[in-house]
Amino acid sequence: DAKTTQPPSMDCAEGRAANLPCNHSTISGNEYVYWYRQIHSQGPQYIIHGLKNNETNEMASLIITEDRKSSTLILPHATLRDTAVYYCIVRAIRQNFVFGPGTRLSVLP
Amino acid sequence: GAGVSQSPSNKVTEKGKDVELRCDPISGHTALYWYRQSLGQGLEFLIYFQGNSAPDKSGLPSDRFSAERTGGSVSTLTIQRTQQEDSAVYLCASSLQGAPANYGYTFGSGTRLTVV
Repeated sequence: DAKTTQPPSMDCAEGRAANLPCNHSTISGNEYVYWYRQIHSQGPQYIIHGLKNNETNEMASLIITEDRKSSTLILPHATLRDTAVYYCIVRAIRQNFVFGPGTRLSVLP
Repeated sequence: GAGVSQSPSNKVTEKGKDVELRCDPISGHTALYWYRQSLGQGLEFLIYFQGNSAPDKSGLPSDRFSAERTGGSVSTLTIQRTQQEDSAVYLCASSLQGAPANYGYTFGSGTRLTVV
């Protein structure tokens, strides 16, 4: 079973920041937080991951709370092409990725 | 190759027939995973190969499903006596062995299997 809880769907206006929350209250000390997204008819795509520090790359930022029980993925300037299902996953090294239902993000013009 | 390659991209088969799905992982990736995704559903783990270790088959839904990985590279997922409920997109992913947390998986585009 997935160890994360995400809202089933969210809307975001084009050009605005999309903030996708994830709860992982039972996360273990050796588990990382990963985010993937799946655009319609494609395989999932890696976005970002982190352990306890906030992370940023060219796609997104990941904010992890100090107690590590929740995190937020931030897409700073959402575009229509960011419409996808976003998966938050916690996983230790060499474990499988267990995908939950994710959050369906709709970016609206 | 540059990415994970799966073939065929689409497969339509008659109920009761056997099918083989192929996955070519990224060169040098020693970990390989199979998932399936039914229409409108999340990803369901099937099987995991890691180097020379025995594969983790815990996700295979029945004994009609099997997979092998030859030479530590290409993998084939075989479904025998296909049923309509086997219709799904079958996704393959690969990763570096022991990658501490780097990048996670790289997924292929999947094989869409339709059993009629």
